[in-house]
Parts: sequence; structure tokens; C-alpha cells
Amino acid sequence: LAKTTQPISMDSYEGQEVNITCSHNNIATNDYITWYQQFPSQGPRFIIQGYKTKVTNEVASLFIPADRKSSTLSLPRVSLSDTAVYYCLVGANYGGSQGNLIFGKGTKLSVKP
Amino acid sequence: DGGITQSPKYLFRKEGQNVTLSCEQNLNHDAMYWYRQDPGQGLRLIYYSQIVNDFQKGDIAEGYSVSREKKESFPLTVTSAQKNPTAFYLCASRTRGGNNQPQHFGDGTRLSIL
Repeated sequence: LAKTTQPISMDSYEGQEVNITCSHNNIATNDYITWYQQFPSQGPRFIIQGYKTKVTNEVASLFIPADRKSSTLSLPRVSLSDTAVYYCLVGANYGGSQGNLIFGKGTKLSVKP
Repeated sequence: DGGITQSPKYLFRKEGQNVTLSCEQNLNHDAMYWYRQDPGQGLRLIYYSQIVNDFQKGDIAEGYSVSREKKESFPLTVTSAQKNPTAFYLCASRTRGGNNQPQHFGDGTRLSIL
């Protein structure tokens, strides 16, 4: 199964753009890249998903280079409410017989005023 | 609103006691999952079910049991055999249509030992 590596923590200030990069060197051809957000004492929430190039929704953008060995989650103009843990997962987590997700420790983003 | 409901939000267990965590979804999803999260850690899979009346062990199934008698419900029992049950338990579900379907999570049950 493809393993992901992302920074343990990041700090930012309100109004800044935040970019969180995830490495997934062993990503398989059929794998999608998915990002989740988790607030304390809540379940993870789906943010964005992509396969290649760039995906944008109302919350974030996801940049995936041609080799797909990494991806970058971009949060525009963060606010204090974006303080959370962000998880990067690759699509082998969906495939196979389990279809479960394999979560690492994620990146703890702290947004300061 | 469609979603996943976990109850109770907080649960306390006495030594030697079995406790059951509830998970109900009205999303019409076939697959359901139970994860355990310890402080500062990622999620680990306990059990999963791809269809009614069928379920499989995940990575840390020892000391836990589940049932899947209805599509909407996937209760988790933490038995007395689970020696370190204090954790945050998360239930999730997803449709089986395609490898890129995201999972939907409940808001968890926090289990503590008395």
C-alpha cells in the first residue's frame, strides 16, 4: 500500500495562504489522492480529491504534478476556524478488499490571529 | 439531513464490562467501518462490513465484536478482553461504487475506563 508523508505541524496567520505538501512516492496508477480535515473530538471531514493536475472547490485547491509522487493542498486566506489536523490519503486505501482508509498522523495546522 | 449518527458521545466502562457503541447511517451506504483513534495518532481500522450480514476484521480487532443485521446499523461492542479500551471511536460509511468514493464519518464516541 502506498505510504504518505506529510509535515507533523504548520503554523500560519489569519489571511495567509497555506500549502501543505504530501509525499506519496509509491502511488499506484489507479490511486486517487484525498484530503480530510479533522477538528478535535469530531470525525474527519472530506475536503478535496484529485487524480492529476489541479482540482479546486469552494474550500481548497489540490495541486498534483505530472509524476503524481506528491500533492499540495492549498487553503486560501485561512482563518482561525481552519485550525485542525489535515490528512493526506492515497487511493490504494480505497481499493482492494477492504476499502478502508489508512490515516497517518496528519499535519496539525495552527492558525494564529 | 443525511449522515452518520454515533451514540453516546461519551461512554464509561467498568472493569470486566462489555459496552456497545451505536452507529447508524441514513446515506444508503453499503460499506461501514469502525476506527479507533488514540491521542495524537491517526485512525486504525477495527472492523469493516461491505454488505449486510457480512463483516471482516481490521488491523486491531482483538477485544472487539460487531454485527451487521441491517444496512443502516453497525454497532461495535468493546469487550472485557480489550485491555486498553480508552480511545476515540469513529464510525464511517461509503458507497461501494468505485475506488474514489470518500468516506463519511460520524462525530465519534469517547470511551473511558472508570
